[in-house]
Amino acid sequence: AQKITQTQPGMFVQEKEAVTLDCTYDTSDPSYGLFWYKQPSSGEMIFLIYQGSYDQQNATEGRYSLNFQKARKSANLVISASQLGDSAMYFCAMRGGGSQGNLIFGKGTKLSVKP
Amino acid sequence: NAGVTQTPKFRVLKTGQSMTLLCAQDMNHEYMYWYRQDPGMGLRLIHYSVGEGTTAKGEVPDGYNVSRLKKQNFLLGLESAAPSQTSVYFCASSSAETQYFGPGTRLLVL
Repeated sequence: AQKITQTQPGMFVQEKEAVTLDCTYDTSDPSYGLFWYKQPSSGEMIFLIYQGSYDQQNATEGRYSLNFQKARKSANLVISASQLGDSAMYFCAMRGGGSQGNLIFGKGTKLSVKP
Repeated sequence: NAGVTQTPKFRVLKTGQSMTLLCAQDMNHEYMYWYRQDPGMGLRLIHYSVGEGTTAKGEVPDGYNVSRLKKQNFLLGLESAAPSQTSVYFCASSSAETQYFGPGTRLLVL
């Protein structure tokens, strides 16, 4: 069965510093995708970054990068130069190789950025 | 370009009442999904559709029904609401790589 584990219920980071949010996954599919979503207090789910299992390089999107370590089955999100607006819940998710294409989500990490 | 929209944004029901949540997408996506989010949990899949006229059960389908009569719309129905269905409901549609989520519907069942 596919599973996503986020072991940090809450994290604090000082404004302008970098922070790493942990995510490990479990799957037997050879082809899969890994996602990170941000959920601010307003409730919407905002797509941040995607990494395919066959991608050779780590994905980057602006201040977000995904540290993909396939052998360790980890897909950590790195946020550089944290901003107050980064305070939110962050969810790691995986899409397996099945035909339905749905995402399996972790329980999330609440990030608080301190001024 | 509206993306994914959901109606209504918030609803209060009494136990036993019925209602339908509407999801619409304007991105011509084949795949659409309904998830629910409960406190301290990530999103869990209720039902999904891989194309017009097709639906299938997800992880937590009990108490819900769905229909996909038009490609752009995906409806989620509660025939007899229960307090355990108090949750935030998200609809999503999917391209090859990314799932786009609607703003969510907050449902309270008393």
